[in-house]
Amino acid sequence: AQSVTQLGSHVSVSEGALVLLRCNYSSSVPPYLFWYVQYPNQGLQLLLKYTTGATLVKGINGFEAEFKKSETSFHLTKPSAHMSDAAEYFCAVPRGNEKLTFGTGTRLTIIP
Amino acid sequence: DGGITQSPKYLFRKEGQNVTLSCEQNLNHDAMYWYRQDPGQGLRLIYYSQIVNDFQKGDIAEGYSVSREKKESFPLTVTSAQKNPTAFYLCASRNRDRAYEQYFGPGTRLTVT
Repeated sequence: AQSVTQLGSHVSVSEGALVLLRCNYSSSVPPYLFWYVQYPNQGLQLLLKYTTGATLVKGINGFEAEFKKSETSFHLTKPSAHMSDAAEYFCAVPRGNEKLTFGTGTRLTIIP
Repeated sequence: DGGITQSPKYLFRKEGQNVTLSCEQNLNHDAMYWYRQDPGQGLRLIYYSQIVNDFQKGDIAEGYSVSREKKESFPLTVTSAQKNPTAFYLCASRNRDRAYEQYFGPGTRLTVT
């Protein structure tokens, strides 16, 4: 079954620096991949969604993700971190009958 | 405004009591899901329902029960059989036309002592 691995449970970057959050999928090319963001004590919000054929996917809040088949990766980036980006980020991949498997999450801290 | 409502935001119960968490959506979505979130473990699927009057067990259904009598509502009961019920519970829904794309409610934090 498909799974995703998020390397780094905690990432800290300085305000204005590049944000890079890593996600690798496990096997065959999935038809979809997702990034969600969760602010403290809130639900998850969809950041962006990959569909087959796309390589660079743009999302909300200035985030984007690049699909690289050769590296089985779908890393999330943002050129310049803002304090409001502090949150937990989850990568997710489809499995079975309209279900999703989520990664274990990466908590992003922004240093002023 | 369309969305998913979970109530209450915080819930406290004594060990041995059953408790029901509410999830309501006015998005006209067919599918609904319940997840449990624990620190460092991501989201784990408890139950899901694709249509009214039908639901399936997820990965960690033991100690939980659900019902889907109305399209808008998918309540989750945490029974006394659940060994470690303290967690953050998230409800989600999905439009049948948006494959796999789930929308989440704000969550309920349950504390059992």
